[in-house]
Amino acid sequence: EVQLVESGGGLVQPGGSLRLSCAASGFDLSTYWMSWVRQAPGKGLEWVANIKEDGSEKFYVDSVKGRFTISRDNAKKSLYLQMNSLRAEDTAVYYCARKPPDYWGQGTLVTVSS
Amino acid sequence: SYELTQPPSVSVSPGQTARITCSGDALPKKYAYWYQQKSGQAPVLVIYEDNKRPSGIPARFSGSSSGTMATLTISGAQVEDEADYYCYSTDSSGYQGVFGTGTTVTVL
Repeated sequence: EVQLVESGGGLVQPGGSLRLSCAASGFDLSTYWMSWVRQAPGKGLEWVANIKEDGSEKFYVDSVKGRFTISRDNAKKSLYLQMNSLRAEDTAVYYCARKPPDYWGQGTLVTVSS
Repeated sequence: SYELTQPPSVSVSPGQTARITCSGDALPKKYAYWYQQKSGQAPVLVIYEDNKRPSGIPARFSGSSSGTMATLTISGAQVEDEADYYCYSTDSSGYQGVFGTGTTVTVL
């Protein structure tokens, strides 16, 4: 059974940093592109970033370029999202998903507020 | 930036057919995917690659795509199909993902 479990969310002040993790199981992580998707409270889904199977290619939505970094460790069966210079508008539930996306985690809430 | 446009809401009576459209300039060359999201839950894939249904998704869910529009059809909608529905695709490069604006389906 494919499982994706996010962790690392929480309350952070504007300008701060946070690192999200996603533990993958039930499939061979090294053979799939992976994604992060977010959803602000009461809003729609927003694609955030994709990373290639070996980590050699990464793509981001314009609003996070230069602030967020997606990475992976296939040996540890994990996906990451390093978020720097956080803004109030980054407040959202962040989902880890296996591309296209087909399988999703349950999400972790990130709140950016002073 | 690339956008996918959906109607904000669709309302049908139980047993009727609900159709949700998704409009985007790259859809003639890129697949559409459809997700169902119920309140407080993670999205669930209901249609992939325009018209394929994942295992476990009821047959009343179907998808089609023609030109710049993809369509999700719920034939014989049930009360349990009430949810938000989102389309997803990529821009013409294939590397930038994008979700549609979302459609709230009401069955009453």
